[in-house]
Parts: sequence; structure tokens; C-alpha cells
Amino acid sequence: QQPVQSPQAVILREGEDAVINCSSSKALYSVHWYRQKHGEAPVFLMILLKGGEQKGHEKISASFNEKKQQSSLYLTASQLSYSGTYFCGTEVNTGNQFYFGTGTSLTVIP
Amino acid sequence: EPEVTQTPSHQVTQMGQEVILRCVPISNHLYFYWYRQILGQKVEFLVSFYNNEISEKSEIFDDQFSVERPDGSNFTLKIRSTKLEDSAMYFCASRPTALAGEQYFGPGTRLTVT
Repeated sequence: QQPVQSPQAVILREGEDAVINCSSSKALYSVHWYRQKHGEAPVFLMILLKGGEQKGHEKISASFNEKKQQSSLYLTASQLSYSGTYFCGTEVNTGNQFYFGTGTSLTVIP
Repeated sequence: EPEVTQTPSHQVTQMGQEVILRCVPISNHLYFYWYRQILGQKVEFLVSFYNNEISEKSEIFDDQFSVERPDGSNFTLKIRSTKLEDSAMYFCASRPTALAGEQYFGPGTRLTVT
């Protein structure tokens, strides 16, 4: 039930773009995206509900393809502060089990 | 801004001992969760709790684990007889509603079993 993320790791130079993918074998109710810095708790970025919506703020956005049970996180014009591990989290039903993906380590270098 | 708090920040215990990890969720939240993260690995779901009972639990959450909301504010995770492999960061999270609600994570408790 654990969603699979790709790539596992990515290194970017400041200003470059990245896409992180999350794929589930289950029909999903929602997809959440979190960023975790080393030694800290995950920090919520955004939530997408079934319906294929796309959300975003500033230079980070995400989409959810309900038919394929896939979500993608788009980071544009990356900044050093974007470095961390990105996790998607998925729900099949509301409020119950919540599964984090395998994680994508993103490193932004000057 | 309200936040989820967890105590202690670091707990060291000997194998076979019982530990209780404490969390104070945000006051008007209705859904509560425990997760664990072994160093360098992914965040793993343990259990969700709603209306004073367990909603769902993962295969990790076996008989050695239990959760309680003893006084309407604290939310505790008890590990009865700790094993070396229980060493991990344990995160508590709470959520106002299940519908489209983000989870607010506490800072975590690092459990070290020796």
C-alpha cells in the first residue's frame, strides 16, 4: 500500500526545475506532499483531493491524476531552502490509514 | 500559532522496559496519529485515533503497542517491552477534520533502546 516515489534522489543547481512523482496501486482519496529537513518533523506543503486538481503556491505546485493514481510535485526555479526529503502521503479513505511514500532526497547546490 | 507538542524530546531505555511517549495535539483537532521513522528511512504509519478509539492500525502496531487519550488533551503511545528495533523517531500528528485536512506534526521523540 505504500506509494512509490521517483526519483529517489536528485541534485539541482539553484534556479533549476525538478519533478517528483508519486504512484499508488490503490484508488486514492487524497494525496499530501511534505518536506522534511534532517532531524526535523515533516512540514506540510499541500493536499490534493481526487478530482484531478492542480494546486500550487509560489514556485511549488502539484497535480493529481486520479485515473492513474499518480501525483507529481513541481519545483521551479529551485532555491537552496528547497533542499530536503520530499514525501508524498496517500489516503484511501479519510481519516484512517495514511501512507508515506518512499521519499525523494532533493539537494540544491549554489 | 497552535502547535503539536511531544515529550520527551529524547528517551533512552533498556531493552524490555516499557516507555510512554506523550503528545499534546492541537486543541480542536479530532484525528490523531502516531508515526515512526527509523533513522534515514521513510515515515511509517502506526495508528490513527478518532472519537476515543483506534480507527486504523498498521501491521507494525502489534500487541506491544497501545494508545490512549487519558484526559482529553494528552495522546500517548505506550510500548510495553521495548526491542532494539524500536529505536526510531516517533512523530505524533493531529488533524482538525479528515476531509481535506492537513496533518500537523509534532517535533518528535527520539527513542533509543539499548
